[in-house]
Amino acid sequence: GNSVTQMEGPVTLSEEAFLTINCTYTATGYPSLFWYVQYPGEGLQLLLKATKADDKGSNKGFEATYRKETTSFHLEKGSVQVSDSAVYFCALGDRDDKIIFGKGTRLHILP
Amino acid sequence: NAGVMQNPRHLVRRRGQEARLRCSPMKGHSHVYWYRQLPEEGLKFMVYLQKENIIDESGMPKERFSAEFPKEGPSILRIQQVVRGDSAAYFCASSPQGGAQPQHFGDGTRLSIL
Repeated sequence: GNSVTQMEGPVTLSEEAFLTINCTYTATGYPSLFWYVQYPGEGLQLLLKATKADDKGSNKGFEATYRKETTSFHLEKGSVQVSDSAVYFCALGDRDDKIIFGKGTRLHILP
Repeated sequence: NAGVMQNPRHLVRRRGQEARLRCSPMKGHSHVYWYRQLPEEGLKFMVYLQKENIIDESGMPKERFSAEFPKEGPSILRIQQVVRGDSAAYFCASSPQGGAQPQHFGDGTRLSIL
């Protein structure tokens, strides 16, 4: 079945560092891919999405490119801020309408 | 525009009691999804509903769990005879249509079983 694998955390970085959170997927067909972010005590917010191969999703300085050849959707940001501290979930939109999530990567940004 | 509203935010029950979790989707959204998040885990799909219909309940435990989305009012996730293992955060999401569109999430209900 479809699945998502993302790097385990926690990831701890200093402010202004470069961020990469790896995500790979297994799916039949061409699923939509998402990154969601969860701040403490809150629900998930959609961070960015890509719906087809080579699409690049971007938002708030974060980017991810849908790579069909490597079945990847890595999240990157050039310069992180303390306010980026949260849990990040890579996810795919299953053809049966449900969203399948990775386990999440907790990110700590130190001032 | 109100987002997805879930209540209560926190719910404490003793073993054997019933838990009722409510979700009002965003205005204009007719598709509702329920997910469960165990500590340090990602979200796991439970059930997908449209008004008065259960579309996919493949993620729902076979016993004690039920969900509905009536013609009027919020969607309800009901857990009967709760056990310690039901302790989790339960999230509701909605979308204006199906087909793996981005879903908008509520802030969740954190269920604790004593």
